[in-house]
Amino acid sequence: ELKVEQNPLFLSMQEGKNYTIYCNYSTTSDRLYWYRQDPGKSLESLFVLLSNGAVKQEGRLMASLDTKARLSTLHITAAVHDLSATYFCAGMEYGNKLVFGAGTILRVKS
Amino acid sequence: DVKVTQSSRYLVKRTGEKVFLECVQDMDHENMFWYRQDPGLGLRLIYFSYDVKMKEKGDIPEGYSVSREKKERFSLILESASTNQTSMYLCASGLYSYEQYFGPGTRLTVT
Repeated sequence: ELKVEQNPLFLSMQEGKNYTIYCNYSTTSDRLYWYRQDPGKSLESLFVLLSNGAVKQEGRLMASLDTKARLSTLHITAAVHDLSATYFCAGMEYGNKLVFGAGTILRVKS
Repeated sequence: DVKVTQSSRYLVKRTGEKVFLECVQDMDHENMFWYRQDPGLGLRLIYFSYDVKMKEKGDIPEGYSVSREKKERFSLILESASTNQTSMYLCASGLYSYEQYFGPGTRLTVT
C-alpha cells in the first residue's frame, strides 16, 4: 500500500527566499504528481514526473524525482506572494489510483 | 481544455438525508474519481470508475455509493448523510493513467 508523506505541512516564508517541500513515498510509484490548490479552488496540475532523475521547471518552481530514495522535491526559488497556495504531491498506485500527501500550506509574506 | 463540473459548490443537508453529488466531464474520459478532502489528511479516494456501469472502491468507501450510467457522468451518493461526512468533495477525470483533472469541488455540510 502506497503512503505519501509531505513536509513541512505549513511553510511561511519571506518574499525572495528559497525553500524546498519534500515528498516521501513508501513503495514503488510509477510516477509522481504535484498539484497546486488556491483557497476555495480546485486542484491544478503542476508537474508529472515519470522517471528517476526527472526534473521539471515552471517559473519559480522546480520539481525533481529520485525513485531510489523514494523522494520528490518541489523547490521554490525567490518566492513571490502569488505562490501562496497549498501544494500536494501524489503517487500513483496500481489501478491508476492517486495517493495524496497531506498537503503543504505555503504562505509568502511581503 | 478539459472541463469537469460539479453540480453544486456548496450544499447543506440534514443528518439522515440522501445526498447526490453529480460530476460531469466533457472530454470523453474513461476514468472518473471521487475524493474527499479534509484538513491535514489531503485527498482520499472514495470510489472510482473505469467505464460505464463499472465501479471500484477506493480507500474510504464506507457510507458512500456511486453510479455511472453514462460515460460523462459520475454520481456520488450518500445514502444517509452523517455529520462526519461534512467535507469538501472533489471529482476528477482522466483518459489515461497519466493525469487527473479536477472539478471545482462541492463543500458539503451535514447538520
